[in-house]
Amino acid sequence: GENVEQHPSTLSVQEGDSAVIKCTYSDSASNYFPWYKQELGKGPQLIIDIRSNVGEKKDQRIAVTLNKTAKHFSLHITETQPEDSAVYFCAATYGNEKLTFGTGTRLTIIP
Amino acid sequence: DAMVIQNPRYQVTQFGKPVTLSCSQTLNHNVMYWYQQKSSQAPKLLFHYYDKDFNNEADTPDNFQSRRPNTSFCFLDIRSPGLGDAAMYLCATSIDSGPNWGNQPQHFGDGTRLSIL
Repeated sequence: GENVEQHPSTLSVQEGDSAVIKCTYSDSASNYFPWYKQELGKGPQLIIDIRSNVGEKKDQRIAVTLNKTAKHFSLHITETQPEDSAVYFCAATYGNEKLTFGTGTRLTIIP
Repeated sequence: DAMVIQNPRYQVTQFGKPVTLSCSQTLNHNVMYWYQQKSSQAPKLLFHYYDKDFNNEADTPDNFQSRRPNTSFCFLDIRSPGLGDAAMYLCATSIDSGPNWGNQPQHFGDGTRLSIL
């Protein structure tokens, strides 16, 4: 089955700087890659997703890049703000298979 | 706003005493999921419904059951909770887009945190 590795597990960034979280997946059949943000005491919230027919997708300060050959995808957050502090999960899937999550990254924005 | 609502937000039960968690959705999504999330871990899928079809993950203990009486509601029943079942339980939904329905964004509720005494 699919295996998703996520790095780093913790990340501290000065407010206003950029943050990058990287994930690698094992199953070349995977073609849908969502990113979720989970704040303390809340459920995961989808912040951006990308499909395998696209190499990059951007939504304001958030972008995701996908390298199918290398089987890795990354989340980029620019101009970080205190409200970006949360745990971020990447995931991968295809067809009607279950979502396979990465292990999560705890992002802390330092004011 | 359309959403996924989980009740209660916090549930305390005694060791071995059955407990039911509920989830409702106003998104009219055909697919509903139950996840278990322990501290500092990713959500772990317990089972999902594709419409009325129930799909259990192979490693979900028999202690966990589910009911979906209609499109909007789904319940998680834990028949005899053990200390290891203390966790956050998350409900999620996604739209049915045909054969590749798993490739759709999942919308999560804010979970029920279950404590076992």
